[in-house]
Amino acid sequence: DGGITQSPKYLFRKEGQNVTLSCEQNLNHDAMYWYRQDPGQGLRLIYYSQIVNDFQKGDIAEGYSVSREKKESFPLTVTSAQKNPTAFYLCASSIVRGTDTQYFGPGTRLTVL
Amino acid sequence: GDSVTQMEGPVTLSEEAFLTINCTYTATGYPSLFWYVQYPGEGLQLLLKATKADDKGSNKGFEATYRKETTSFHLEKGSVQVSDSAVYFCALSVVGSGGGADGLTFGKGTHLIIQP
Repeated sequence: DGGITQSPKYLFRKEGQNVTLSCEQNLNHDAMYWYRQDPGQGLRLIYYSQIVNDFQKGDIAEGYSVSREKKESFPLTVTSAQKNPTAFYLCASSIVRGTDTQYFGPGTRLTVL
Repeated sequence: GDSVTQMEGPVTLSEEAFLTINCTYTATGYPSLFWYVQYPGEGLQLLLKATKADDKGSNKGFEATYRKETTSFHLEKGSVQVSDSAVYFCALSVVGSGGGADGLTFGKGTHLIIQP
């Protein structure tokens, strides 16, 4: 079955540690996205990538980094510079063709202790 | 910049009631409009979409019509069920300078609770 996988579903880290969230898709989509969800605030775009080896900052990129070495993979690193990293992180992908539908993974809930 | 405004929740209805969740938007250019649904602890699922003015998206009994004149995309369902309880997000997407979508702009979500 085609889809987007994120792992792990729950992640706990100590303050000051970097942590990397995994996102893999087998939909053959060119574009991939990372969003952050906080209660009562909807989703906000962190980074996006429209093609391998290229990515762009979204609205709240500070304290985060990404890489796009393979079409299928778009890992997100939450660095120690992120002031409030505890949140629900969602990865999505879409075919790059105008405003195509984005398909979402199940999410990773990160808790920084 | 682009923005989406949707009614604050929670919205509590009885089973078989009529549902309307309001959504209005501001956007540069001509956006595509989406409704996504999120069940507890899960990611978002596309519910329906519309890509141009006067288009009607529909799925699972839900409908929404792209109204350019009122910049709205209200979600409706004639008879809700307990299983419709979830958080509903209105969103828009505009083609970026690179020719592809630069990401979705979301409303804050509306928590819908259906009581039996």
